[in-house]
Amino acid sequence: GESVGLHLPTLSVQEGDNSIINCAYSNSASDYFIWYKQESGKGPQFIIDIRSNMDKRQGQRVTVLLNKTVKHLSLQIAATQPGDSAVYFCAETFGGSARQLTFGSGTQLTVLP
Amino acid sequence: GAGVSQTPSNKVTEKGKYVELRCDPISGHTALYWYRQSLGQGPEFLIYFQGTGAADDSGLPNDRFFAVRPEGSVSTLKIQRTERGDSAVYLCASSGQTDTQYFGPGTRLTVL
Repeated sequence: GESVGLHLPTLSVQEGDNSIINCAYSNSASDYFIWYKQESGKGPQFIIDIRSNMDKRQGQRVTVLLNKTVKHLSLQIAATQPGDSAVYFCAETFGGSARQLTFGSGTQLTVLP
Repeated sequence: GAGVSQTPSNKVTEKGKYVELRCDPISGHTALYWYRQSLGQGPEFLIYFQGTGAADDSGLPNDRFFAVRPEGSVSTLKIQRTERGDSAVYLCASSGQTDTQYFGPGTRLTVL
């Protein structure tokens, strides 16, 4: 079946550096993508989303890029902080509105002092 | 305002027992979702409610799993004859007009 996957299971960055977390999706019909952050023992926390009619969206310290040609999604975190350490999931859905989300397996981001 | 809340935060039960997990969505959110998350994995969809009705229950693994939302707010996920393989974190999310799904802290279910 269709699935969302992540290129790297772990990522370590120095505090203050920029982080890039990648995600590949396989369902070409997907039209809504979301990045979530999950800290240990907590539920996923919404970070940023993007619809398929856009290729870039910026938030506070975060940017999501969508490349529909190669079905690739990335999350960029500027000036990474210790509080950014967590597992990051990309999720996708299709059908014009957010219904059943399909999640990838996640990337563990560790921020080094 | 308050986020999505789930009770209990932890539930330990014995194989074969019945359990109920509760979700209180964000006030005013009409859509409610249940997901299940195994260790080291992303959440997997179980069921989605729009108002009181289950709009999509295609993720429920078998007929031991059932969910209700009788008044269009609080939802209860019910698991009959629990099995060790049911052990996981059960997550609830809700969404309003923006379609963004906001998650609760989850209920960690352990079946001994």
